[in-house]
Amino acid sequence: GAGVSQSPSNKVTEKGKDVELRCDPISGHTALYWYRQSLGQGLEFLIYFQGNSAPDKSGLPSDRFSAERTGGSVSTLTIQRTQQEDSAVYLCASSLDGLRGRTDTQYFGPGTRLTVL
Amino acid sequence: QQPVQSPQAVILREGEDAVINCSSSKALYSVHWYRQKHGEAPVFLMILLKGGEQKGHEKISASFNEKKQQSSLYLTASQLSYSGTYFCGTERAGGTSYGKLTFGQGTILTVHP
Repeated sequence: GAGVSQSPSNKVTEKGKDVELRCDPISGHTALYWYRQSLGQGLEFLIYFQGNSAPDKSGLPSDRFSAERTGGSVSTLTIQRTQQEDSAVYLCASSLDGLRGRTDTQYFGPGTRLTVL
Repeated sequence: QQPVQSPQAVILREGEDAVINCSSSKALYSVHWYRQKHGEAPVFLMILLKGGEQKGHEKISASFNEKKQQSSLYLTASQLSYSGTYFCGTERAGGTSYGKLTFGQGTILTVHP
């Protein structure tokens, strides 16, 4: 596709359940980022992938959060035992090359709105 | 540390001008500006690299003051389509920066007819 896509667009789950959020980056983009945006708040960095590796996981809020990327393309963010405070919009972005010395535009997907009841 | 944006909100009439500021306590390599409309993904506006470069995009321009670690976004002759939340994302200088952005809390811009 032409842009970054994410699925599902909306997810409602019960507290304690696990959820998986998917991101399809722009074809050829090696860098992929996950952010979280709570209601009326800015963008909170979660994790960064360069290819299939995650050099920076510093933004993951707890060990309930994990992410993987396969084939240098699709990424999945998994939240285990969801809590109400996990409710937010989860945004994925990709850029051509996130390596040092390159400052590339990050293109954002439409996000997944997660609601934990 | 999260950069600080000011003001938090701006209300304009069509045709009026506005300035949004983004300040960081850390040395910066670049500043990125995005606009997000309600329920939509953030859309890239421009990148400012250290060196005091000023860039423009139609009637929207920005500057980056490296000494002050501050960037300003200038919106002139505002249009209704400018309404949205504006975010700055900062990339720190030095270290192992790879393009990781730390975003400000956003500035809500509303343009009325």
